[in-house]
Amino acid sequence: DGGITQSPKYLFRKEGQNVTLSCEQNLNHDAMYWYRQDPGQGLRLIYYSQIVNDFQKGDIAEGYSVSREKKESFPLTVTSAQKNPTAFYLCASIPSGAGIYEQFFGPGTRLTVL
Amino acid sequence: AQSVTQPDIHITVSEGASLELRCNYSYGATPYLFWYVQSPGQGLQLLLKYFSGDTLVQGIKGFEAEFKRSQSSFNLRKPSVHWSDAAEYFCAAFDVMLTFGGGTRLMVKP
Repeated sequence: DGGITQSPKYLFRKEGQNVTLSCEQNLNHDAMYWYRQDPGQGLRLIYYSQIVNDFQKGDIAEGYSVSREKKESFPLTVTSAQKNPTAFYLCASIPSGAGIYEQFFGPGTRLTVL
Repeated sequence: AQSVTQPDIHITVSEGASLELRCNYSYGATPYLFWYVQSPGQGLQLLLKYFSGDTLVQGIKGFEAEFKRSQSSFNLRKPSVHWSDAAEYFCAAFDVMLTFGGGTRLMVKP
């Protein structure tokens, strides 16, 4: 079955550590997105990539980094520079030629900083 | 600044009762408008979308939404709520980028 997978589902890290969240899709989608979700704030865009080896900053990119070496994969690294990293992180992808609103979402990763 | 506002953070309704979730947008021109649903610990699923034309839009799971330009609103409705509708609902708008409202958490009483 095609879809988007995010791993792990729950992640704990100590302050000062970098951590990488995985996002993989086998839908052959070109564009992929990372969002951060906090209670009462909806989704905020961190980074997005419309093609392999290219990505753009979203609204809240500071303290995060991404790579897009393969079409199927768009990992997000939460660095120690991110001051408040505890949140729910959602990855999404869009079919080629479709509008941004037709996003397929993964199940999310909940990151907690101890 | 462009924004999407959902005034109600939490709403509780009884099973079988009708539902209306409010959404207001602030844009220079009418954006495309959407409603998404998120079950606990899951990603978002698109319920319905409005681009233009008929102001009453039908979606999946028995939901509908009405676009009212004069009120800059796009409220989501369902005539009879089921316990499985308990979830968080997000309104979103798109012109250059997709902007989400803060969400409304729906609880359903038996």
